[in-house]
Amino acid sequence: DQQVKQNSPSLSVQEGRISILNCDYTNSMFDYFLWYKKYPAEGPTFLISISSIKDKNEDGRFTVFLNKSAKHLSLHIVPSQPGDSAVYFCAATPRRGGTSYGKLTFGQGTILTVHP
Amino acid sequence: GAVVSQHPSRVICKSGTSVKIECRSLDFQATTMFWYRQFPKKSLMLMATSNEGSKATYEQGVEKDKFLINHASLTLSTLTVTSAHPEDSSFYICSARQGLAYNEQFFGPGTRLTVL
Repeated sequence: DQQVKQNSPSLSVQEGRISILNCDYTNSMFDYFLWYKKYPAEGPTFLISISSIKDKNEDGRFTVFLNKSAKHLSLHIVPSQPGDSAVYFCAATPRRGGTSYGKLTFGQGTILTVHP
Repeated sequence: GAVVSQHPSRVICKSGTSVKIECRSLDFQATTMFWYRQFPKKSLMLMATSNEGSKATYEQGVEKDKFLINHASLTLSTLTVTSAHPEDSSFYICSARQGLAYNEQFFGPGTRLTVL
């Protein structure tokens, strides 16, 4: 049962344009969401996160939007740069107590390619 | 950010042998380390959570006798795949958590295991 889904395996964008990566989740217990970026032969690195009490979080060129009613989040990169080309994973976790506290559930990843 | 290393980066072994993968936090002490497995075009699946000096907590469906995890110090965790079979071939990634914040979880570069 895939609780976090990234339905687009890949996305191709022109340099300078906006990249929008999408993520859906099914578990209502998730209340904290993160995006990670992964280059080949490297581990994922933290990019940006958002708590369920917010619907938007911005950090430089990266903005994450959360739509709790739709159980959907998206990552916007504006403007996109060739160095942004990587695999992007969204992840979710429940922050409240219980056995799942602190554990990250990942999506399948989306390969972003930004063309010069 | 903090650095997590994994060794080896690639390993090829014969069916029936055991393989040990090391995960080290190089410049911080990790109270908690996580082991993930990633199948091709799939998400990172959490296998187990290990806390220094205590037994690892395995996710449902993960055989603890097959995947032995030892977290003997605050900077080292090991994953041993015992009696490896071709179906164990995968990409194994560890992460180490420095504090309680989710962006303080740092990932290693991964280990590609191929069982012949």
